[in-house]
Amino acid sequence: DQQVKQNSPSLSVQEGRISILNCDYTNSMFDYFLWYKKYPAEGPTFLISISSIKDKNEDGRFTVFLNKSAKHLSLHIVPSQPGDSAVYFCAASPYGGSQGNLIFGKGTKLSVKP
Amino acid sequence: NAGVTQTPKFRVLKTGQSMTLLCAQDMNHEYMYWYRQDPGMGLRLIHYSVGEGTTAKGEVPDGYNVSRLKKQNFLLGLESAAPSQTSVYFCASSYSRARKFFGPGTRLTVL
Repeated sequence: DQQVKQNSPSLSVQEGRISILNCDYTNSMFDYFLWYKKYPAEGPTFLISISSIKDKNEDGRFTVFLNKSAKHLSLHIVPSQPGDSAVYFCAASPYGGSQGNLIFGKGTKLSVKP
Repeated sequence: NAGVTQTPKFRVLKTGQSMTLLCAQDMNHEYMYWYRQDPGMGLRLIHYSVGEGTTAKGEVPDGYNVSRLKKQNFLLGLESAAPSQTSVYFCASSYSRARKFFGPGTRLTVL
C-alpha cells in the first residue's frame, strides 16, 4: 500500500512558466513533508520542506503548499528554468516516526524546455 | 567537507557473490541510512542506524546486513547476491528526524 503517491510520472513545462508537482498521502500521522530533487547519476538533494502546522512555505522560486484536509501537497516552481529539469521526490515523515525515517513517492520527472 | 561519500560507484557481481558497500560522512551526523532505488519506484529504506554501534531494519532488509562500528561509517553487506538486488544504492545521513544528505549512489548489477 503506497502511502505517498506522485501520480504524474512526468511533466513538461516551457521555460519561464510555472511548474506544479503534486503529491498525495494516505497516512494522517505524517506531520513533516519534504521535496527532494535528483539529477541523473547523482544522489537526491533536499529542496524544501513544510511542517503540518503550516500550509505554505516559500524559498526563492520554490513554494510548497500543504492541504491537510485533502492530504495533498504541491510544489510550485516559478519561473521554471531548464536547470530545474530533474526527478522530484515527495517524502513524508510520521509524527514520532522512528529515527527520522522518510516515506518516498515514486517521483515525477520534470522537463523544462527552453 | 566531502559530505556523504560512497564506495564503490559501480559494481558487477555474479549470483552468490558477496560484497560490502561503504558509506562515509564527515558531518558528525548521528543518523545514517541505506536506501535502494529501482526503476519506477521511490527510495526504499533497507537499514538505518541512530548512532555508533546501533542498527535497525527498514522496509526492505532481507538479504542485507549492516554495521556501524564508527560514527562516520555505515557499511551495507550482501552475503549472497541475487539478481533482485540489482539496483542503485544510496546512503544518507542526517542530524534531524527529517532532512537527509545523500551520497552519489552505487550502481550494482547482479548477473
